[in-house]
Amino acid sequence: QVQLQESGPGLVKPSETLSLTCSVSGGSINGHYWSWIRQPPGKGLEWIGYVYYTGRTDYNPSLKSRVTISMDTSKNQFSLRLSSITAADTAVYYCARGSPTPDSWGQGTLVTISS
Amino acid sequence: EIVMTQSPATLSVSPGERATLSCRASQSINNNLAWYQQKPGQGPRLLMSSASTRATGTPARFSGSGYGTEFTLTISSLQSEDFVVFYCQQFNNWPPTFGQGTKVEIK
Repeated sequence: QVQLQESGPGLVKPSETLSLTCSVSGGSINGHYWSWIRQPPGKGLEWIGYVYYTGRTDYNPSLKSRVTISMDTSKNQFSLRLSSITAADTAVYYCARGSPTPDSWGQGTLVTISS
Repeated sequence: EIVMTQSPATLSVSPGERATLSCRASQSINNNLAWYQQKPGQGPRLLMSSASTRATGTPARFSGSGYGTEFTLTISSLQSEDFVVFYCQQFNNWPPTFGQGTKVEIK
């Protein structure tokens, strides 16, 4: 059974770039879509974007100018970079397998934006 | 972007009873709707896709229905593990969007 684990800093300063990595175990990153979704505290879920194993990506238009999702097949990982962050980017960030209906999710990592 | 509206925000039901959760889309999404269950401290779990197709491992007590803009998730007999939050999601248009969730609590 595939397992996903998010990792990265829990506190990031405003205007900096948020970087998270998702490590995939129990299965290959090849042949699948890999997604990032976030959930601000007390709010609903927001789709960030996905990367296909071919390298193709698509992003939420509301975040497109600031987002990059990439993958490293040699490490069985994929990553999220979100630039020019503000307090509004404070959220639990989830990585997941599949798009648009992910069937496996990580447990999520809380990223707080604060100086 | 398509706005998904779930009702009620909180549903109080006794164990063993039936629960009916609603989800409405701001425009037609055909049957491109999924339901997720989220337990505290965990990522969401896919329950249902294409409005009425149970995902692998979803118990038979969960059923989905609807088409167009109105959808329903029914839990026929609530078990203790079902008292959590449920989200609907449309994937007819990009970007996929989620409802705000329905919390099912013990009455």
